[in-house]
Amino acid sequence: KQEVTQIPAALSVPEGENLVLNCSFTDSAIYNLQWFRQDPGKGLTSLLLIQSSQREQTSGRLNASLDKSSGRSTLYIAASQPGDSATYLCAVNSGNTPLVFGKGTRLSVIA
Amino acid sequence: GAVVSQHPSRVICKSGTSVKIECRSLDFQATTMFWYRQFPKKSLMLMATSNEGSKATYEQGVEKDKFLINHASLTLSTLTVTSAHPEDSSFYICSARDDRTGASAFFGQGTRLTVV
Repeated sequence: KQEVTQIPAALSVPEGENLVLNCSFTDSAIYNLQWFRQDPGKGLTSLLLIQSSQREQTSGRLNASLDKSSGRSTLYIAASQPGDSATYLCAVNSGNTPLVFGKGTRLSVIA
Repeated sequence: GAVVSQHPSRVICKSGTSVKIECRSLDFQATTMFWYRQFPKKSLMLMATSNEGSKATYEQGVEKDKFLINHASLTLSTLTVTSAHPEDSSFYICSARDDRTGASAFFGQGTRLTVV
């Protein structure tokens, strides 16, 4: 059974800092891995999707990496801003099955 | 704590029939719940935000008459797929927002709908 773990559970940083969020999964037989953002009281917003054959994906200040063999992914946020404050979720797609989500990392960026 | 139960986990129905999927927050109250659709091997799509005691808010492109949402209590939201067609076959996933903390990352196990 696939399990997804995110570390840390919460993170508070001053504005402008670069930061890394971690995600690990137990079964490396995945189709893709996705990072989502969730603002308080809102639904999920997809940030980045990495196919199992890829090593990383970039979008603006966000960079997500994937090491499938070791069951790890990281989300790197450069030059953090208060608007980045949200919960970040990692989810693993093993193909024709529901996504398996981590519990998320709650990020606060202090101005 | 903060467990969300979704039922059924899988269902097969005939074209033209309706299917109801339940999403329950087991140990917390959830004024707000979210319904997502997951297409095979693709990302999640937010369908609607379900609000207890009021009408759901649907995302653009989602047919509200086809995907009926009822949030009649603080622990239960239902999604009814009406007049189902094979193209409605998909995973449907709900999540609930804990009224105490505001945290929303509590997901149901998903429902696999197959319309034949």
